[in-house]
Amino acid sequence: NAGVTQTPKFQVLKTGQSMTLQCAQDMNHNSMYWYRQDPGMGLRLIYYSASEGTTDKGEVPNGYNVSRLNKREFSLRLESAAPSQTSVYFCASSKTSGGPIGELFFGEGSRLTVL
Amino acid sequence: GEDVEQSLFLSVREGDSSVINCTYTDSSSTYLYWYKQEPGAGLQLLTYIFSNMDMKQDQRLTVLLNKKDKHLSLRIADTQTGDSAIYFCAELTRGKLIFGQGTELSVKP
Repeated sequence: NAGVTQTPKFQVLKTGQSMTLQCAQDMNHNSMYWYRQDPGMGLRLIYYSASEGTTDKGEVPNGYNVSRLNKREFSLRLESAAPSQTSVYFCASSKTSGGPIGELFFGEGSRLTVL
Repeated sequence: GEDVEQSLFLSVREGDSSVINCTYTDSSSTYLYWYKQEPGAGLQLLTYIFSNMDMKQDQRLTVLLNKKDKHLSLRIADTQTGDSAIYFCAELTRGKLIFGQGTELSVKP
């Protein structure tokens, strides 16, 4: 009963380094999302993928790239990490592209610190 | 534009009712949601309301929607220490969920 699995759970990077956050879901969901959570800011959508083969920008896409590798997997890449990207990152999935019932299933989060 | 606003903190005593408020901006939102985040975990859907409803009750939870004022509230009756968490309001707009900042509910024994 895995649901949405994110790796790694914790990561410390130096400014300028690159890394990829991995996400996989086993619920056969069409849509997948990457959010970041910052204190006092709530969750902000970085990128989403309504279906396999498509990706779209969310509210805060700058500095990130994504790949929808297949229906199960959706990765988030930081090409050149900056301290402003220190955050907790959540991957989520849903059955449809948000409606009529936008129930998102979230992973446990990946805590990223950029020094 | 798309904006969902919540107050950041709420503290109540065990057994009291909690009311968490939210305002949103997109009058065309079809659904509005409440998500709960427990410490160290991702968010889980708590309840939702369709935009043509004024109220929805689900056990200890009551959701009230005032479309004219674009105001959504979540009332938790008989609040327990296990209800301590961050509660997020969200609106479904143009196929995406937009979340508020989250309200941290602290329940004191």
